[in-house]
Amino acid sequence: KQEVTQIPAALSVPEGENLVLNCSFTDSAIYNLQWFRQDPGKGLTSLLLIQSSQREQTSGRLNASLDKSSGRSTLYIAASQPGDSATYLCAPKGNYGNNRLAFGKGNQVVVIP
Amino acid sequence: KAGVTQTPRYLIKTRGQQVTLSCSPISGHRSVSWYQQTPGQGLQFLFEYFSETQRNKGNFPGRFSGRQFSNSRSEMNVSTLELGDSALYLCASSLGGDLEQYFGPGTRLTVT
Repeated sequence: KQEVTQIPAALSVPEGENLVLNCSFTDSAIYNLQWFRQDPGKGLTSLLLIQSSQREQTSGRLNASLDKSSGRSTLYIAASQPGDSATYLCAPKGNYGNNRLAFGKGNQVVVIP
Repeated sequence: KAGVTQTPRYLIKTRGQQVTLSCSPISGHRSVSWYQQTPGQGLQFLFEYFSETQRNKGNFPGRFSGRQFSNSRSEMNVSTLELGDSALYLCASSLGGDLEQYFGPGTRLTVT
């Protein structure tokens, strides 16, 4: 069973600082990994999808890296803004014919103006 | 392009009752997955449907069931509700395979 751990569980940073969010997973036989953000009481918004063959993926201020062999992914958010305050979740997907995602408890981020 | 929609958004039920939640995927998406989110357990996978067939099932009791219709819309049903079933129920859709999954806003179920 895939176990996902996200560190740190919670962090507060001043506006403008770069954010580094870490995700580790126990089973490296993944097909892809998706990063989501969740605002309180809301659904999940997809941020980035990295295929297992990729090392990183970028979208605007967001950059996600993947080291599949060591079971790790990192999400970097450059020049954080108060609107980045949310919980960030990483979700590895096991194999092609199965859309089951495994989730950790997330990184809860507060960006202080 | 419309996103994933879920109805109802909020629901209050009494222990022992049953409930049906609905999910309409993004147009053209054939895969629909359901998740339960609680503060204690986080996000847990319930089941996935693809082209009207259940393709994968999580570790939940038989009181939780689902189905998918020919238009890819999906419903999940919880019978004999328990207090512990209070949660945010989320559905996700995708085209399938290795493609991105998109989540709906969720249905907040409260069991009293």
